[in-house]
Amino acid sequence: GESVGLHLPTLSVQEGDNSIINCAYSNSASDYFIWYKQESGKGPQFIIDIRSNMDKRQGQRVTVLLNKTVKHLSLQIAATQPGDSAVYFCAETPGGYQKVTFGTGTKLQVIP
Amino acid sequence: EAQVTQNPRYLITVTGKKLTVTCSQNMNHEYMSWYRQDPGLGLRQIYYSMNVEVTDKGDVPEGYKVSRKEKRNFPLILESPSPNQTSLYFCASSLLSPGTGDYGYTFGSGTRLTVV
Repeated sequence: GESVGLHLPTLSVQEGDNSIINCAYSNSASDYFIWYKQESGKGPQFIIDIRSNMDKRQGQRVTVLLNKTVKHLSLQIAATQPGDSAVYFCAETPGGYQKVTFGTGTKLQVIP
Repeated sequence: EAQVTQNPRYLITVTGKKLTVTCSQNMNHEYMSWYRQDPGLGLRQIYYSMNVEVTDKGDVPEGYKVSRKEKRNFPLILESPSPNQTSLYFCASSLLSPGTGDYGYTFGSGTRLTVV
C-alpha cells in the first residue's frame, strides 16, 4: 500500500521523458538479476531480468543495464507514462544459491 | 488465470494469538517463498521451500513457521505473534529455484497484518 513508498528515494519524471532507476547490488557472486514493479496496494510484478553474462537486455519500453565491475544495475524506461508510477525494486540471486535478495526500492512519480 | 492467492488480505490480531496466513499457487511451481515488507527495509525473505517437504530459513525467520505438505500450498504460521511482526507479507512462487536458472517470481497480492 501507500506505506511502502515512505522513506524511499523518489524519482520524479515528466510524462514522455525517459526514466533511469539505479540499483547498487551487494554480492559480487550474484549472477541473476531482476527488476520488479510494485504499484500501490499490489504485489511486486516481474518486469525484466538479466544474467551476468550479459550487460544489456531490452524489453518493451524497458532496458536493463548491468555493470559487474562496479556492481551496478539500472532500469531505463522509455517514454514514461502515468501507469509507470510505482516503486521499483532490483533483486539479485547468487549463483547456485536459493535466496533472492531485494534492494530497498525507488519510487517513480510521473508528472502529467 | 495463473496466480498466487493469499488469504486474508487484512488481519488485525492480538499479541500471542496463533494465526496462519495461507498461500496457494496454481502454476505447479516448485519454489515458494514468504517475504515481509517494511518501510525503508524493502522485501526481506522469511522462509522458502524448494519443493514438497523441503523448507529453509531466509533472512528473518524468527517467530515464523512454514510447512509444505502439498506443492500448491505454503502457509505461514505465527505461533505467538508480537507487535514487531506487524508488516505487509507477500507469498511468491517460481517454476524452479531462482539459483538454478532464469526464474522470476509471481507474487501474491499481500497480507497486511497488524498485531496489537
